[in-house]
Formats: sequence, C-alpha cells, structure tokens
Amino acid sequence: NAGVMQNPRHLVRRRGQEARLRCSPMKGHSHVYWYRQLPEEGLKFMVYLQKENIIDESGMPKERFSAEFPKEGPSILRIQQVVRGDSAAYFCASSLGGGNSQAFFGQGTRLTVV
Amino acid sequence: DQQVKQNSPSLSVQEGRISILNCDYTNSMFDYFLWYKKYPAEGPTFLISISSIKDKNEDGRFTVFLNKSAKHLSLHIVPSQPGDSAVYFCAASSGTYKYIFGTGTRLKVLA
Repeated sequence: NAGVMQNPRHLVRRRGQEARLRCSPMKGHSHVYWYRQLPEEGLKFMVYLQKENIIDESGMPKERFSAEFPKEGPSILRIQQVVRGDSAAYFCASSLGGGNSQAFFGQGTRLTVV
Repeated sequence: DQQVKQNSPSLSVQEGRISILNCDYTNSMFDYFLWYKKYPAEGPTFLISISSIKDKNEDGRFTVFLNKSAKHLSLHIVPSQPGDSAVYFCAASSGTYKYIFGTGTRLKVLA
C-alpha cells in the first residue's frame, strides 16, 4: 500500500511562472490536506479537500493560490505568478475520514522561485 | 499568533538517556494532540497522539504527557537512540482536521 505520493519532489520556477504540485493520497483516503512550511517555521495549514469539494481553504492566500481534488486523479495545488516568498516546502497529507483521523504525510514538494 | 509553541529549537542528548521535548499551547479548545517526527527531505511521520481525556499515552520508547491545566504537553523518549535524531513537531486540533503545528525541536542524540 503506497503512501501519500507527491510530485515533483523539487520544483524550480522563475518569478511570474505557474507552479503545479500534485498529491496522490493513500489508497482509500478521500480527505486531502495541504500544508506549507517556510524556512525555520512549522507547518501551516492551507486547505482541506474531499473529492471534488473544498471544505476549508482558510489557510490559503487570497490570491494566486488554488487547489482542487477531482473525482479522478490527484489533488493539485496551483500557484500562479509565483513570487520569491512562495519558496517553501509544500506537504500534502491524507486521511481516511475527517475529524481526528490520523493524517499521513507525503514527502513534500520543495518549491524554489528564482 | 502562535497557538502551539515549542520554545526549544534544539536539544542534544546522550545515547541511552531520556529525551524530553516540550510543547505549550494557548487554545483551551484543543482536544487532540500529536507528535510528528521529520527527517530532512522527508515528510512528517506520525509518532504518537493523545486525547484530552487522558494525561498519558505510551507506545514503546515514546510517552506523551498532557497537563491540561498548564496547557503543556511533553514527549519522552527512553532510551534515546541515534536514529531518533530528527525534528519533532507538536500539533494540536480541536476536534477537526486542522492541525496547528509548533515550529519544531531539532533533537540530536549523541552516540
């Protein structure tokens, strides 16, 4: 049973380009969460999705960031017109249910904006 | 506003001794607490959790203690091993999916 798969592991983008980060949850998991870790900081909640629905996006920046979790395929975190401050590690987690169900994390995507 | 605080950014312990990692929180609505361990270039790995109805939970070498009145929890690792060297994150939630993480403590276990 594969764990949470994120790709790419490393992504380099120039300022103004778009970044697409993918996350395939563990088999059978329909709850997906995205977290961001800035250098020297803890993980910050961004968004919580269930299949085809955004449940909570209170941690997402208001502009340029969007997330989806389609019926088929991985969850995508999309960052448009990236800026240097977007450079961070982005972690995806999945769980079987909501509430206090244990979340399993992927290895993360390290985004570097140059 | 940092609701979950890990005030020690780093900790060094001799192999075989006890490691104690601390975490403080401010939100009295938190009712579920977790510890995650993270190696460089990897995602966080769940270690142990505790519900607010308990004050202690033990799993092998790892024990988490919760002091609700002090809004404090700690992770004890006994005996510490070199493979335990990692960054440890404390996280809390209030009956929901949204974990609030601390900034982490880097543990180094010296052989």
